[in-house]
Amino acid sequence: GENVEQHPSTLSVQEGDSAVIKCTYSDSASNYFPWYKQELGKGPQLIIDIRSNVGEKKDQRIAVTLNKTAKHFSLHITETQPEDSAVYFCAASLPAEKLTFGTGTRLTIIP
Amino acid sequence: KAGVTQTPRYLIKTRGQQVTLSCSPISGHRSVSWYQQTPGQGLQFLFEYFSETQRNKGNFPGRFSGRQFSNSRSEMNVSTLELGDSALYLCASSLGGMYWDEQFFGPGTRLTVL
Repeated sequence: GENVEQHPSTLSVQEGDSAVIKCTYSDSASNYFPWYKQELGKGPQLIIDIRSNVGEKKDQRIAVTLNKTAKHFSLHITETQPEDSAVYFCAASLPAEKLTFGTGTRLTIIP
Repeated sequence: KAGVTQTPRYLIKTRGQQVTLSCSPISGHRSVSWYQQTPGQGLQFLFEYFSETQRNKGNFPGRFSGRQFSNSRSEMNVSTLELGDSALYLCASSLGGMYWDEQFFGPGTRLTVL
């Protein structure tokens, strides 16, 4: 089955700086890569996703890049704000299969 | 539109007991997936139901089971509870037509096994 590794496990950045979280996946047939944000006491919430026919996708301060050859994808958050503090999960999915999640990154924005 | 609701939010059980958790999906969503979240193992997929049929299953023992009703509401059951079953159990609903449909998560049920 699919295996997803996520780094770093914790990340602290100054408010206004950028944050980057990286994930690698094992199965080259995976073609759907969502990112979730989980705030304390809540379930994860989808913030952005990308499919394998696209190399990059942006949504305001958030962007995801995908390198199919290297089997890795990254989340980029620019101009970080205190409300970006949360745990972020990457995930990968084979066609018509379950999501396999990374182990999460706890992002702390330092005011 | 109401979000995904899960009941109960907190549960304390003892080893050997069984437990049933409930999930009400967003109206119109036909797929419900269940996940177990623990600090050590992260988010692990349990199973997915679509139109009352189990469509995908994760690598959990047979003590973990689920079902989906005709109104898309879903329940999961854990029998013969073990200490290691202590976790946050999350359900997520989606329209279900395509595997890349956005999954909307509920707040979870926190299960503690003593």
